[in-house]
Amino acid sequence: KQEVTQIPAALSVPEGENLVLNCSFTDSAIYNLQWFRQDPGKGLTSLLLIQSSQREQTSGRLNASLDKSSGRSTLYIAASQPGDSATYLCAVGSPQGGSEKLVFGKGTKLTVNP
Amino acid sequence: DTGVSQDPRHKITKRGQNVTFRCDPISEHNRLYWYRQTLGQGPEFLTYFQNEAQLEKSRLLSDRFSAERPKGSFSTLEIQRTEQGDSAMYLCASSSQGATYNSPLHFGNGTRLTVT
Repeated sequence: KQEVTQIPAALSVPEGENLVLNCSFTDSAIYNLQWFRQDPGKGLTSLLLIQSSQREQTSGRLNASLDKSSGRSTLYIAASQPGDSATYLCAVGSPQGGSEKLVFGKGTKLTVNP
Repeated sequence: DTGVSQDPRHKITKRGQNVTFRCDPISEHNRLYWYRQTLGQGPEFLTYFQNEAQLEKSRLLSDRFSAERPKGSFSTLEIQRTEQGDSAMYLCASSSQGATYNSPLHFGNGTRLTVT
């Protein structure tokens, strides 16, 4: 059974700092890993999707890496801004019985202080 | 692309009542998903449709829950005889080719259910 863990549960940084969020998963047989952002009381916004054959994906100030063999992914945020404050969730898609479901971590709540 | 739309945004109901939620996916997406999220947790998968066919159901989806997507467009999620443990955010998502084909999921803003 796939399990996804995110560390830390919460993180507070001053504006302008570079930061790394961590995600680990127990079963390395995955289709892909996705990073999402969730603002309070809202749905999830897809940030980056890394296919199992890829090592990283970049979008603007965001860079996500994937090490499938060790079951780890990181989300790097450069030059953080107060608008980056949100909960960041990672999720993996696994080929268990052809399932379409994503398994999510509990998220890391990020606060960027002005 | 108007995004995934969910209605209502909030629902307060008394224990034992039935509730129904609606989801309108992005128009060209034939995959539709329902997830449930409780406070401090990540979303948990409930069910998945490809067009009008319900292809996957989680064990979380007890017999009090039913989901439909009658014409392969919008979907409804009904909870019968609600219990306090059903209180959660119910999230709908859609994608063009599904997680197994590396299509990202697009989520709506959810329906917040409170059972009193």
